[in-house]
Amino acid sequence: ILNVEQSPQSLHVQEGDSTNFTCSFPSSNFYALHWYRWETAKSPEALFVMTLNGDEKKKGRISATLNTKEGYSYLYIKGSQPEDSATYLCAFRRGGSNYKLTFGKGTLLTVNP
Amino acid sequence: DVKVTQSSRYLVKRTGEKVFLECVQDMDHENMFWYRQDPGLGLRLIYFSYDVKMKEKGDIPEGYSVSREKKERFSLILESASTNQTSMYLCASSSPNSVYSYEQYFGPGTRLTVT
Repeated sequence: ILNVEQSPQSLHVQEGDSTNFTCSFPSSNFYALHWYRWETAKSPEALFVMTLNGDEKKKGRISATLNTKEGYSYLYIKGSQPEDSATYLCAFRRGGSNYKLTFGKGTLLTVNP
Repeated sequence: DVKVTQSSRYLVKRTGEKVFLECVQDMDHENMFWYRQDPGLGLRLIYFSYDVKMKEKGDIPEGYSVSREKKERFSLILESASTNQTSMYLCASSSPNSVYSYEQYFGPGTRLTVT
C-alpha cells in the first residue's frame, strides 16, 4: 500500500489569514497528484490535477505547487474565508496505474469569521 | 456536468443483513470505484471496475462484493453486514476521455450504520 501523508491533520485560522498545508507521496514512479476539496454534506470536488515537476496551479485564492523529485505538494489559500472551511484531500496516481488514486487522510481546515 | 448519484444518503441496517449500495453515473465513464471513509483513516478503496462485468479488489475488499452489469451502474454488496462496516461510503467514476484524464468524480456518499 502506497504512503500518502498530509499535514497538518487539522487547522484553525481566522478569516483573512493565509494558510498552507502539505501532501507527501512516493517520489518514484510518479504519474499525477490530485487535490480535492470536501465540504461537509457535499461530494469531494476536484481542485487541481498536477503532473509535471515544478507545476503551479491556481484557482482564485487557492494555489498548489508540485515537487515530484522530493515527493511533496503544497496547497496555499490566500486570505481564507469561512466558505473555505472543508477537508482538503490529496491523491497520488502511480505510473502504470491508470485507474487508482491513493488518498491521504486529509487536512481539515476551519476558518473562523 | 458529471453527475454521480448514490441510492441513499443515510441507511440503517441490522447485523447480518444483506445490504446493497447503488451508484449511477451519467457520463459514460469506463471506471467506477467504491471507497469508505472513516475518521482518521481517510478514503480507502474497496473495489473498482474498469469495464462492465470487470472488477478488481482495492485495498480493503474483505466483507464486500460488487456488481457491474451495466456501464452506468456499480453496486456494492455487503453480504452479511457487521458493525465494523458502519462508515461513509463514496462512489466515484472516471474516464481517460474526460477533460482531466482519469479525474475521479464523486457521489454525495451514503452514511451506513449497522446496529
